[in-house]
Amino acid sequence: DAGVIQSPRHEVTEMGQEVTLRCKPISGHNSLFWYRQTMMRGLELLIYFNNNVPIDDSGMPEDRFSAKMPNASFSTLKIQPSEPRDSAVYFCASSKGTGNSGNTIYFGEGSWLTVV
Amino acid sequence: GDSVVQTEGQVLPSEGDSLIVNCSYETTQYPSLFWYVQYPGEGPQLHLKAMKANDKGRNKGFEAMYRKETTSFHLEKDSVQESDSAVYFCALTPPTGAAGNKLTFGGGTRVLVKP
Repeated sequence: DAGVIQSPRHEVTEMGQEVTLRCKPISGHNSLFWYRQTMMRGLELLIYFNNNVPIDDSGMPEDRFSAKMPNASFSTLKIQPSEPRDSAVYFCASSKGTGNSGNTIYFGEGSWLTVV
Repeated sequence: GDSVVQTEGQVLPSEGDSLIVNCSYETTQYPSLFWYVQYPGEGPQLHLKAMKANDKGRNKGFEAMYRKETTSFHLEKDSVQESDSAVYFCALTPPTGAAGNKLTFGGGTRVLVKP
């Protein structure tokens, strides 16, 4: 079975440019998460969707970040304008169900973003 | 809010040594507890989990006991192998509810097993 699919795997962009990261969750999963990983801050939850609806976006750093989930099989995380401090690995993850905290969350391989 | 604190930085056991990676958590509720493992260039993947107090998660010779009285979930293995080298994250999710699947991670512990 296909896992969580993210694109691009690697992106290098100049400061000020718009960056769009894409995610296809595992089929049948109805919870989707965007995490950011840096050396300084570790793994941070940015935003969490359930049934395509954003449930918790308290981790989104600022207005430059936005996320959408137009349907059950696709989500985007957009950074506009990008800044060097946004350089990180961005992970998308998905899981089945809600209300059951034991459900396994599956991570994609990450999008490695470098803003120069 | 919820928080997870685990052994900081790096541990360097030799092959065949025992391993303990400490994990303590803070939450106002009774969470589910997890250890995730991350290999270079990959996303974290579930290593083991425990859903309630006194449950023991097990996988590939690793164990972790959910201890409510000490709010801990230490990862242990009797004899490590080189292939166990990875970054290990302790994590929790709150119990049932809309945020039931939201993972809160510890800072990660790099385990580098010397041959």
